[in-house]
Amino acid sequence: DAGITQSPRHKVTETGTPVTLRCHQTENHRYMYWYRQDPGHGLRLIHYSYGVKDTDKGEVSDGYSVSRSKTEDFLLTLESATSSQTSVYFCAIRADPQETQYFGPGTRLLVL
Amino acid sequence: QQQVKQSPQSLIVQKGGISIINCAYENTAFDYFPWYQQFPGKGPALLIAIRPDVSEKKEGRFTISFNKSAKQFSLHIMDSQPGDSATYFCAASAAGGGNKLTFGTGTQLKVEL
Repeated sequence: DAGITQSPRHKVTETGTPVTLRCHQTENHRYMYWYRQDPGHGLRLIHYSYGVKDTDKGEVSDGYSVSRSKTEDFLLTLESATSSQTSVYFCAIRADPQETQYFGPGTRLLVL
Repeated sequence: QQQVKQSPQSLIVQKGGISIINCAYENTAFDYFPWYQQFPGKGPALLIAIRPDVSEKKEGRFTISFNKSAKQFSLHIMDSQPGDSATYFCAASAAGGGNKLTFGTGTQLKVEL
């Protein structure tokens, strides 16, 4: 599992509430990514980070923000959750200098 | 716009048969093409990857075939086993810019006895 943990693993929330998902790695990798997985869409990149406090947007970043104050933690925040953000969220790290990305176990989020 | 198109959406193969999944891409800047395997309730796991300087890469029963001129690549699973039943994703990335992966939509493979 490349030393990646995600928390919580499951969450049910209501529309309009803020939600923060956490990704934690133990191997000091520089690059970290957040994806969402939806049927018929595969995995789509939300945001990624290339170092502490260095982040950039992905393909589906609207409605999401991220923060990385420590190398080991990458947080994904839904400022005001909507039903369209019901999904499975995966964190990944890139094992430098390779390009291989390793994925965490995922967080299943249901927005009612 | 889907930059990596994957087919078929689902596939049923008999045990011992060959499973073939195809992907096509549009962005000529892509230079890294991994395949991921995902079991229910788990995160995707890297299966095999290829770069465009080779036309084929084999690891055990898994082979990637790559056609740069056609902008296509495919995964072949030889001697398919029930344990291979999973969802398979192709992906692609370009050097620089964070090596962001663009995924295909996935193929659900079922290997029957």
